[in-house]
Amino acid sequence: EPEVTQTPSHQVTQMGQEVILRCVPISNHLYFYWYRQILGQKVEFLVSFYNNEISEKSEIFDDQFSVERPDGSNFTLKIRSTKLEDSAMYFCASSPTGGGEKLFFGSGTQLSVL
Amino acid sequence: SQQGEEDPQALSIQEGENATMNCSYKTSINNLQWYRQNSGRGLVHLILIRSNEREKHSGRLRVTLDTSKKSSSLLITASRAADTASYFCATFTGGGNKLTFGTGTQLKVEL
Repeated sequence: EPEVTQTPSHQVTQMGQEVILRCVPISNHLYFYWYRQILGQKVEFLVSFYNNEISEKSEIFDDQFSVERPDGSNFTLKIRSTKLEDSAMYFCASSPTGGGEKLFFGSGTQLSVL
Repeated sequence: SQQGEEDPQALSIQEGENATMNCSYKTSINNLQWYRQNSGRGLVHLILIRSNEREKHSGRLRVTLDTSKKSSSLLITASRAADTASYFCATFTGGGNKLTFGTGTQLKVEL
């Protein structure tokens, strides 16, 4: 069964460093998302992406964050200058259609900012 | 309170018992979904119920939706140890693509 893959599974970085989290969505999906989950807390929406542009973003998704679909398969989340509070599990998700249909999630990247 | 709050926060039952989790939300929705998350893993979609539906079944899962009370419940019948996970409701309010997740219920099914 097709699945969303995320790399790396764990990323440790120093505060102020840039990180890029990578995702390969399911191949025929058109809508892409990033969510994050701070340990033991709720799953928070960061951004949705469709047709090579951001369609919606949350207050969390400030100027330090950016997303890109550099080719036909990858979908990346970049954090320009990481802060301690960026430590979280970051989940990529995709769906074949928008409109609130079900999302397919990757296994996540655990980001630890020291 | 936030859009999508589950209760209880944690639930511990014996294998074979039924588990019921509830979700309340604040604004009108187009659909409500339930997801499962095993420890440290991604979320897996379980079931979607639309605003014009009142009940839906999928295997051992039964979901109800009461839009007048802005609430939903997820019932897992004849629970198994493998059902141990966190369960989240997520709402779609329309006018965009994002799902808003609740706070989750941690279910532990003991042998």
